[in-house]
Amino acid sequence: DAKTTQPTSMDCAEGRAANLPCNHSTISGNEYVYWYRQIHSQGPQYIIHGLKNNETNEMASLIITEDRKSSTLILPHATLRDTAVYYCIGRDSGAGSYQLTFGKGTKLSVIP
Amino acid sequence: NAGVTQTPKFQVLKTGQSMTLQCAQDMNHEYMSWYRQDPGMGLRLIHYSVGAGITDQGEVPNGYNVSRSTTEDFPLRLLSAAPSQTSVYFCASSYLSGTEAFFGQGTRLTVV
Repeated sequence: DAKTTQPTSMDCAEGRAANLPCNHSTISGNEYVYWYRQIHSQGPQYIIHGLKNNETNEMASLIITEDRKSSTLILPHATLRDTAVYYCIGRDSGAGSYQLTFGKGTKLSVIP
Repeated sequence: NAGVTQTPKFQVLKTGQSMTLQCAQDMNHEYMSWYRQDPGMGLRLIHYSVGAGITDQGEVPNGYNVSRSTTEDFPLRLLSAAPSQTSVYFCASSYLSGTEAFFGQGTRLTVV
């Protein structure tokens, strides 16, 4: 699985868009980029994933660069409840590859 | 539909004691796994299973045993607790062909 690099922490004003970057320069062609978040020591929660196209769901948008070496998770209107640690994970799409390798993630603080 | 249920939520053990952390899911997921999370760290994979009767080691398996006799349950056994096993333990499940992993709320274990 690709090694990912994320900033240790970020702040975002409530109501503004939160843009969380992730570098995955060693990602292979069949590896997806997954995003999870962990709110205050609860179990991690799936947010979104993508391969090479941009993706959007009810929680967030995922923008992946054309060379797939980096991506950005966008929370369009951050609320206080979005304060959490966000994990960017590279995961192989091949058979038998179900494991998630968590790094330290980015601690996002949404400021009132 | 309860999702992934972990019991107990909190536990204090004395060094050398044994215990079993319980994990159950009601989503008929084939894949189940156990992680531990130490303060300020990401999650590390202990053991995982791709179906009843099939288990394998993750990144940090020493001191832990698992078995998978049913699709629903995946207990984690601590054979002889040590202070180094003080941690928060998370159980997760997913479909083998799925993309989203569901996590339990965690068991906070302290070994004194």
